[in-house]
Amino acid sequence: GAGVSQSPSNKVTEKGKDVELRCDPISGHTALYWYRQSLGQGLEFLIYFQGNSAPDKSGLPSDRFSAERTGGSVSTLTIQRTQQEDSAVYLCASSPRGGQGYTFGSGTRLTVV
Amino acid sequence: GQQLNQSPQSMFIQEGEDVSMNCTSSSIFNTWLWYKQDPGEGPVLLIALYKAGELTSNGRLTAQFGITRKDSFLNISASIPSDVGIYFCAGHGFGNEKLTFGTGTRLTIIP
Repeated sequence: GAGVSQSPSNKVTEKGKDVELRCDPISGHTALYWYRQSLGQGLEFLIYFQGNSAPDKSGLPSDRFSAERTGGSVSTLTIQRTQQEDSAVYLCASSPRGGQGYTFGSGTRLTVV
Repeated sequence: GQQLNQSPQSMFIQEGEDVSMNCTSSSIFNTWLWYKQDPGEGPVLLIALYKAGELTSNGRLTAQFGITRKDSFLNISASIPSDVGIYFCAGHGFGNEKLTFGTGTRLTIIP
């Protein structure tokens, strides 16, 4: 597509439930990144994909967080047993290859109540 | 790990004023980038810098990649209302595919 698309744009979930966040990168971009932005804060790196593999998942905060990418395209970030501290905006970005400036999506605002 | 210190945290200026913000790092970066984020949107790339000492302009924006590779600044001349937002510096370390982001500078224009 023309840009990076994320869905849903907003998600409210109850504490303890699982959530899935989706990212559609720009067509042809091999690198895909997930970041988290808490209210009024900078961007915290979560995970990086090159194709379908994740050479750097060092930013995932706990084993409740996982991500996958299929077909070198769509990626899903899954948060299991959500906690209130998971509330944040989750941003996805893609680039033609790793190490270049990214194009970001508009993010998914997750609120855990 | 790598950290980026961005300052100032916030700025309150009048329309037409010039703006300057900067980032410093405790380690060397080989790429510096400046992004702007509007409310409810993802960050948008403004300027990318790839060489130490590089000075690049994009309209009213000017950014420089410091000689030491540990700092960068962004200047905005003759600010206008649409400049309001949060500005982030970001950088790639050597052999590092992920971007490290600064904490942001929130720019507000006072009527």
